[in-house]
Amino acid sequence: NAGVTQTPKFQVLKTGQSMTLQCAQDMNHEYMSWYRQDPGMGLRLIHYSVGAGITDQGEVPNGYNVSRSTTEDFPLRLLSAAPSQTSVYFCASSYHRGGDYGYTFGSGTRLTVV
Amino acid sequence: ELKVEQNPLFLSMQEGKNYTIYCNYSTTSDRLYWYRQDPGKSLESLFVLLSNGAVKQEGRLMASLDTKARLSTLHITAAVHDLSATYFCAVDTGNQFYFGTGTSLTVIP
Repeated sequence: NAGVTQTPKFQVLKTGQSMTLQCAQDMNHEYMSWYRQDPGMGLRLIHYSVGAGITDQGEVPNGYNVSRSTTEDFPLRLLSAAPSQTSVYFCASSYHRGGDYGYTFGSGTRLTVV
Repeated sequence: ELKVEQNPLFLSMQEGKNYTIYCNYSTTSDRLYWYRQDPGKSLESLFVLLSNGAVKQEGRLMASLDTKARLSTLHITAAVHDLSATYFCAVDTGNQFYFGTGTSLTVIP
């Protein structure tokens, strides 16, 4: 029972590079989301998906793209990395948005943009 | 814009003492969640509060929700070192899930 798996755990990018953060869950959860965590700011929602083929923007979507082609996978793409995107990124999933059980979080990806 | 405010932001307390962390939010919601995060780790779900007056307890932690006051509390009873962590509340508005800024708790022997 893997839960929510995020890769990579650490990444250093140069300004302007692109990359994809991977998120996969094996719990048949419909709802998946991406958060970024910055010191003193809690977690902020970037994008979310309520099911395969459906995505929507969260609080801080600029500079990020997502897609949801399968129930299991929800990758986050950084189109042209900027130092302001240095952060810890968490993927979370649940049967439904919020729901009766809250979210299951992945272990996080620590991204540094230089 | 929804605001979810936790206080205190930093809490240092002695083992054996009691204390309460407060979570205030600025919009109508009857779903509130508490999470724990250890340094460098992911978030672990502690409590799910789904209605006004809900109270949940697990070990030395007890959480409650007052939707009319838009307030949730996390009460710590007889703190032990293992409770040292950062605690987040999160509010479900129906469209999005908003987190508080977190309370960093350090329990001192």
